[in-house]
Amino acid sequence: KAGVTQTPRYLIKTRGQQVTLSCSPISGHRSVSWYQQTPGQGLQFLFEYFSETQRNKGNFPGRFSGRQFSNSRSEMNVSTLELGDSALYLCASSLGQGYSYEQYFGPGTRLTVT
Amino acid sequence: DAKTTQPTSMDCAEGRAANLPCNHSTISGNEYVYWYRQIHSQGPQYIIHGLKNNETNEMASLIITEDRKSSTLILPHATLRDTAVYYCIVRVGVFQGAQKLVFGQGTRLTINP
Repeated sequence: KAGVTQTPRYLIKTRGQQVTLSCSPISGHRSVSWYQQTPGQGLQFLFEYFSETQRNKGNFPGRFSGRQFSNSRSEMNVSTLELGDSALYLCASSLGQGYSYEQYFGPGTRLTVT
Repeated sequence: DAKTTQPTSMDCAEGRAANLPCNHSTISGNEYVYWYRQIHSQGPQYIIHGLKNNETNEMASLIITEDRKSSTLILPHATLRDTAVYYCIVRVGVFQGAQKLVFGQGTRLTINP
């Protein structure tokens, strides 16, 4: 079974621009979660989508948004980029129900904001 | 979710068992213990999880103390490829709960040849 894929893998943007990152979950998984990883803050939860609905949201400003499509693929968008948004953005998929939180992570998109 | 405490770093010789401790003294009865690891610049990888019984899979064993206040992840025959940051996470099991994981700083495990 194919793993979680994220595109693009690397991205360089300028302050003030916006960016869209894409995540394709494992086939059959209905939940997609997004995380931001920086050296200073570590891994932080952004939000989770399940069956096209946002089920939970972390403590990030409204510039960070996401959506999920009917095929469970997900995108996240960051508007008005700031230097501090430079990070590794990770997507994780899971079944989304049951008592387990086995999440399977993609390789991440490394975003650099200049 | 209960807070976890892990050593910042550990070393282990290749071929030996690596035992990674985690303290979760405030864990409640319905909270599971999860272990993930992250090899440099890759996404975290699920390893194992348990509620109160010891668990084993092809990657590792998880030993949870009887009072559930601490646990140990055991990699039975560590290889250089096991060098990574290991995260212990405690999470309430909810049937259709949001899949939010709270990662701490983890333990940086270095396997030495």
